[in-house]
Amino acid sequence: QKEVEQNSGPLSVPEGAIASLNCTYSDRGSQSFFWYRQYSGKSPELIMFIYSNGDKEDGRFTAQLNKASQYVSLLIRDSQPSDSATYLCAAFMDTGRRALTFGSGTRLQVQP
Amino acid sequence: ETGVTQSPTHLIKTRGQQVTLRCSSQSGHNTVSWYQQALGQGPQFIFQYYREEENGRGNFPPRFSGLQFPNYSSELNVNALELDDSALYLCASSLVAGWDQETQYFGPGTRLLVL
Repeated sequence: QKEVEQNSGPLSVPEGAIASLNCTYSDRGSQSFFWYRQYSGKSPELIMFIYSNGDKEDGRFTAQLNKASQYVSLLIRDSQPSDSATYLCAAFMDTGRRALTFGSGTRLQVQP
Repeated sequence: ETGVTQSPTHLIKTRGQQVTLRCSSQSGHNTVSWYQQALGQGPQFIFQYYREEENGRGNFPPRFSGLQFPNYSSELNVNALELDDSALYLCASSLVAGWDQETQYFGPGTRLLVL
């Protein structure tokens, strides 16, 4: 079964630090990868998507993709207490790319 | 805000009943995907509708069914509700052009509790 794996956490970092969230995927054919943030009781909110190997930066967020290692990560610089949430990694995992396959999410806690 | 709306926000049903959840897609989007999210888990794909037809289905039984209307809004119907159907139901809107899929944007969700 095609899967996306994440460490459930919680990952605890002090305010102002860099938070590093990691994700691995099983299907080598996966092409598109997404990071969503989900606050407790709310729906997932898109942070970033990445399609190509390497880094992609958007403000305090950097997504990294390594297709050879089947690894995706999200770095959050200058972490703020408002970044405390569950971060979901997702991928389109078949040639039809009809459905997102999600990991179970990593809970991030930013300590003031 | 994504522009994707869902109704109702919360719902309580009893086992064996039927439920209909509704979703309005973001302006300019032509595709709606439905996901079920149990507590502490990532969303699980139920099915997707594109141009009013089912365009892919996850590992859910036939009692989960759906519709898409000409204005691209969508309904999710669940018959013979079971306790395990208690979850957050998410609708995601996207623009599909050709074979490529674009990013999916989620609505606020409907929280269903089955007693």
